[in-house]
Amino acid sequence: QSVLTQPPSASVTPGQWVTISCSGSSSNIGVNTVQWYQHLPGTAPKLLIYNNYQRPSGVPDRFSGSKSGTSASLAISGLQSEDEADYYCAAWDNSLKGYVFGTGTKVTVL
Amino acid sequence: EMQLVESGGGLVKPGGSLRLSCAASGFTFSTNCMNWVRQAPGKGLEWVASISWSSTYIYYADSVKGRFTISRDDATNSLYLQMNSLRADDTAVYYCSTAAGIGNYWFDPWGQGTLVSVSS
Repeated sequence: QSVLTQPPSASVTPGQWVTISCSGSSSNIGVNTVQWYQHLPGTAPKLLIYNNYQRPSGVPDRFSGSKSGTSASLAISGLQSEDEADYYCAAWDNSLKGYVFGTGTKVTVL
Repeated sequence: EMQLVESGGGLVKPGGSLRLSCAASGFTFSTNCMNWVRQAPGKGLEWVASISWSSTYIYYADSVKGRFTISRDDATNSLYLQMNSLRADDTAVYYCSTAAGIGNYWFDPWGQGTLVSVSS
């Protein structure tokens, strides 16, 4: 059972933007950093955002992350067909002493 | 280039055992933490276990605690996951990944995964 809650899906037309929320608690997002991963089924998950808002080299600046209190968000602007994937937030949970992933959001580009 | 390649997946009966391996290259394996994450069919990503450098710290998800054992061999740049008492709900693609530490660190990169199917 996931501890971090995300909307199950989002549908966006090409060129538009989408925001994905990630709701946690005081034992995970409230006190630790948030990471975001992009996953296309059958492939290796890819790190998109680390330390709440930082982008690894090679990730377009169309992707941005933010965090406030016990929630975090991933924003994707100028959506392209290649952005159609599953997106997961993740954080360390001090109470569980383990990593927790979000429930995942499937982004569909119409 | 950092690379992780998993192996060892397959079909196993409930109650059986399986050992997964992850071969690492392109980075200093001995100073990195290593992790296993899985994805069951139609489900999201689930963290399974993490091991720090020198195996000083080891953590498991409650769902596998007491059944799975994570270990590493720094001499061969290899990560392992010994899975015992397997159940149907352990069926998943298992990914290995690396991180600079445990806690406020990120998993990057990830391997392509190996499929474990538990069925009679």
